Amino acid sequence: QVQLVESGGGLVKPGGSLRLSCAASGFTFSDYYMSWIRQAPGKGLEWVSYISSSGSTIYYADSVKGRFTISRDNAKNSLYLQMNSLRAEDTAVYYCARGPDSTAFDYWGQGTLVTVSS
Amino acid sequence: EIVLTQSPGTLSLSPGERATLSCRASQSVSSSYLAWYQQKPGQAPRLLIYGASSRATGIPDRFSGSGSGTDFTLTISRLEPEDFAVYYCQQYGSSPGLTFGGGTKVEIK
Repeated sequence: QVQLVESGGGLVKPGGSLRLSCAASGFTFSDYYMSWIRQAPGKGLEWVSYISSSGSTIYYADSVKGRFTISRDNAKNSLYLQMNSLRAEDTAVYYCARGPDSTAFDYWGQGTLVTVSS
Repeated sequence: EIVLTQSPGTLSLSPGERATLSCRASQSVSSSYLAWYQQKPGQAPRLLIYGASSRATGIPDRFSGSGSGTDFTLTISRLEPEDFAVYYCQQYGSSPGLTFGGGTKVEIK
C-alpha cells in the first residue's frame, strides 16, 4: 500500500534552517509529481511547493519562494524540502503528498511539525 | 491566483441529515480540476472527490461532488457519525498556485 512518511521537523530559531524528508513506498515514486503542503496550528491548508516526476519542473508558493527548495531522489524514493531563513509564520505541520495529477493529491503522509520560535 | 470561498463556515447537523457544502472560485476552474478533502482532528487530509465529481478509492457513495466553472458542491446524503469533520475544496488546474478553500466544519447539532 502507498505510504508517505515525513521526518525532520522540530524547533528552530527565526532565521534558521531545517530539512524535511519524505520516504515513499508502495508505488513507483519516479512516475509521480510530489508536493509539500502545510497547515499552521488551527488554520487551513496551504500548498507550499511541487516537483515533477523527473524534477525538471518546480513551483513554489509566493510565501516561500527564494527561501525553500524542493528536491527529490528517485533512486531513494525520497522527497525533500530545504527550508532556510525560517520565520515564525512558517510554523506548521508539513505534509508530503502525492500529486498533483488528474486525481489531485491522492495520498498524504502523517505530517511533521515545524516550530519557529526563539 | 484563484481564490476559493467555502460556505458556510460551520454546518450544524444531526446524524442522518443531508449536508450541502459550497465552494465558489474567483475565476473558472480549469477542466473541473476541483477536489474535496476531509480532515479529522490530528489527522492528515483524505481525498474524497477529484475532477469535481469522481469519488476517490474507497470513498462511500453517500459522498458526491458536482459543479463546474466557478461553483462546486459537496453533498453528503446521510451523515454518519464519522463524517463530522472539516472539509476543504482545492483547485489543481491552475499552476503554480494550487489553492485551498478556507474549510467548512460539519459539527454535530
